Amino acid sequence: AQKVTQAQTEISVVEKEDVTLDCVYETRDTTYYLFWYKQPPSGELVFLIRRNSFDEQNEISGRYSWNFQKSTSSFNFTITASQVVDSAVYFCALSEGGNKLVFGAGTILRVKS
Amino acid sequence: SAVISQKPSRDICQRGTSLTIQCQVDSQVTMMFWYRQQPGQSLTLIATANQGSEATYESGFVIDKFPISRPNLTFSTLTVSNMSPEDSSIYLCSVEDGWTGDTGELFFGEGSRLTVL
Repeated sequence: AQKVTQAQTEISVVEKEDVTLDCVYETRDTTYYLFWYKQPPSGELVFLIRRNSFDEQNEISGRYSWNFQKSTSSFNFTITASQVVDSAVYFCALSEGGNKLVFGAGTILRVKS
Repeated sequence: SAVISQKPSRDICQRGTSLTIQCQVDSQVTMMFWYRQQPGQSLTLIATANQGSEATYESGFVIDKFPISRPNLTFSTLTVSNMSPEDSSIYLCSVEDGWTGDTGELFFGEGSRLTVL
């Protein structure tokens, strides 16, 4: 069965600090997809990244970077030089195909100025 | 990328009543999804809606409680029936970008925040 664990319920950092959000997943499939979404206080879900199980290459997009390690079943998300606007709930999600996403519990990130 | 509009954005409802949430997409999509996010919780898939067929419900969700319509490729409705305070949640509509059947990027509407008194 699919499962996504985001062990960090809430993280508080001061602006300009780097912060890493952890995501550990469980799946029996060899083909699967991993996602990160951001949910700001306004409530909408903002897509950040999708990664398939055959692509372990790390990705960097501006201040965001993702570290995918199949050996530890982890897909961690790092924000470099955090900003107040990064304050949100971040969800990691997994799909084994068929477009059904299983979400983690989410991590609340609070960035203080 | 798909633009999704949901109505209502929020509502306060009385126990025992029903409310229909609308989801409109600016492009044709094969599959539409309805998720529920209870207060302080993560998202849970309620059902998948394909045009021209009955929705497929996930474990724990039934059609009598959450009837879904999908009359065309750009529109769907979710009804929350006979509401109780436990139904207070954000209900989100989601669509996939792309027709390949592969799990592409899923776009979400802004959600409909329901409070049941």
